[in-house]
Amino acid sequence: KQEVTQIPAALSVPEGENLVLNCSFTDSAIYNLQWFRQDPGKGLTSLLLIQSSQREQTSGRLNASLDKSSGRSTLYIAASQPGDSATYLCAVDRGAGSYQLTFGKGTKLSVIP
Amino acid sequence: GAVVSQHPSRVICKSGTSVKIECRSLDFQATTMFWYRQFPKKSLMLMATSNEGSKATYEQGVEKDKFLINHASLTLSTLTVTSAHPEDSSFYICSATQGTGYTFGSGTRLTVV
Repeated sequence: KQEVTQIPAALSVPEGENLVLNCSFTDSAIYNLQWFRQDPGKGLTSLLLIQSSQREQTSGRLNASLDKSSGRSTLYIAASQPGDSATYLCAVDRGAGSYQLTFGKGTKLSVIP
Repeated sequence: GAVVSQHPSRVICKSGTSVKIECRSLDFQATTMFWYRQFPKKSLMLMATSNEGSKATYEQGVEKDKFLINHASLTLSTLTVTSAHPEDSSFYICSATQGTGYTFGSGTRLTVV
């Protein structure tokens, strides 16, 4: 059974700092991995999706890497801003594009002005 | 981009009553919809997968008679929590796909008192 773990559970950084969020998964046979952002009481916003054949994806200040063999992914946020404060979720697709996702518990990020 | 509307965003109901949550794809036809729930400080967990016109597939441990899912059209899926109890209080969120990616709704916070 796939398990997804995110470390740390919470992180507080001053504005402008670069930071890294970590995600690990137990079964390396994944179809893709996706990072989401969840604001309090809101739905999920997709940030980056990495296919199993890819090593990284970038969007603006965000960079996500994937090391499938070791079961790890990182989300790098450059020059953090208070608006980045949210919970960041990592999820893996079970396989063959099933779109059935297994989520981690998330990392709650607070960026202090 | 693809938009999924979920209603209501918040609902409080009395123990023993039933609650219906709607998930609509506004600008695309969703061949498959998914229902997740998230208990406090826990991961989002897949409850069931529903395909238009057929019975939903439930994850292990999810009671199909308690969580009724109807996916009668390509743009609407409903989740009915029957005879709700306080332990059903959770955040419920749907996602929809037309086969090329998925979009999440904004979620429903259910509180059973």
